[in-house]
Amino acid sequence: AQSVTQLGSHVSVSEGALVLLRCNYSSSVPPYLFWYVQYPNQGLQLLLKYTTGATLVKGINGFEAEFKKSETSFHLTKPSAHMSDAAEYFCAVTAGSARQLTFGSGTQLTVLP
Amino acid sequence: EAGVVQSPRYKIIEKKQPVAFWCNPISGHNTLYWYLQNLGQGPELLIRYENEEAVDDSQLPKDRFSAERLKGVDSTLKIQPAELGDSAVYLCASSPRVAGGPSNEQFFGPGTRLTVL
Repeated sequence: AQSVTQLGSHVSVSEGALVLLRCNYSSSVPPYLFWYVQYPNQGLQLLLKYTTGATLVKGINGFEAEFKKSETSFHLTKPSAHMSDAAEYFCAVTAGSARQLTFGSGTQLTVLP
Repeated sequence: EAGVVQSPRYKIIEKKQPVAFWCNPISGHNTLYWYLQNLGQGPELLIRYENEEAVDDSQLPKDRFSAERLKGVDSTLKIQPAELGDSAVYLCASSPRVAGGPSNEQFFGPGTRLTVL
């Protein structure tokens, strides 16, 4: 079985400040980890994913995430927030031969001017 | 390349009425998914197709929900009869068949927002 916990359903940052969205996962086998972004009334768009290899993963729009096995975490960061980053962010996991993505409950990011 | 297309985008019906959602995946994508997204929650898988075969429908409430993917391309998700608790966004996603397997990206459509009155 696999699961995802996203700490903080709402995060607010000032424009230009660091963005940190937290994600912890549970998996009995090595996981594949994903971050998706969802803008209002739109579908989900992949930001980045970790499969194997380098644990620091860079994605689109300046986002990156680091896979830390010892902490079972995959936190999403961006050095400087932009107003256009305001959206809902979902962490997801899949593992083993399963092709089922298990999503966290999401974090709504607000960027303050 | 065109993305995943879903229609309608919005649907309002009265309880006990039937409703159907349509999805056209990205061309060449063998795997198609239907997800349910409740307000303030992440998507939850309802059913997964590999070509025309439903390979994972364990989360589909089969007493009122049904789905089909004729010819392995377009798919339809139906609810009959709809209940108040079915109000949600229904997302369709697709992914290609490549060697990555579970690491493959899923491409999502914009969803259908269903309101049951």
